[in-house]
Amino acid sequence: GEDVEQSLFLSVREGDSSVINCTYTDSSSTYLYWYKQEPGAGLQLLTYIFSNMDMKQDQRLTVLLNKKDKHLSLRIADTQTGDSAIYFCAEKDGSSDYKLSFGAGTTVTVRA
Amino acid sequence: DAGVTQSPTHLIKTRGQQVTLRCSPKSGHDTVSWYQQALGQGPQFIFQYYEEEERQRGNFPDRFSGHQFPNYSSELNVNALLLGDSALYLCASSLSGASEAFFGQGTRLTVV
Repeated sequence: GEDVEQSLFLSVREGDSSVINCTYTDSSSTYLYWYKQEPGAGLQLLTYIFSNMDMKQDQRLTVLLNKKDKHLSLRIADTQTGDSAIYFCAEKDGSSDYKLSFGAGTTVTVRA
Repeated sequence: DAGVTQSPTHLIKTRGQQVTLRCSPKSGHDTVSWYQQALGQGPQFIFQYYEEEERQRGNFPDRFSGHQFPNYSSELNVNALLLGDSALYLCASSLSGASEAFFGQGTRLTVV
């Protein structure tokens, strides 16, 4: 089965970098994703990484994948107040390649 | 491009009633997945539709059923509503075989 875990809360000062961590158990995961959810809204796809990659950078976002330890992280550089939201880590089920399994989400609060 | 659209945005139903939620996928996408997000939790996979057939199902009872139409839009039906069915229902659209899944804004269902 699949299990995705994240720390629940992160507080960061505006302008600093944020690092959100995630661990997963399914060694056959094909893709890993980061989604952002603002209050009362749906999920916004931020970025994703293929399981045979170690790193992916997209503007202020850097994803690091340690497949051996089944650890995924999202770094947000120069964090802004608009980055305050819940961030979800998700994996695509390697056995079926259809569904996404999500963590419980990390609430990021950006303080001035 | 309108993106993924869901209707209605909010709904209040009484225990025992039935509900139908609707989703129009992103232009060019042929696959629709439905997720249930309870308060404070990550989304849980309900099922996925492709070519008007249910392709995979998560751990949800038969009270949850769906349909996909020839234009790829989809409906989620829930019968005999329970208080525990209160949640945000999210629709995700994708192109079969592709890595990205895009979510709608969701339908907030409250069962009283």
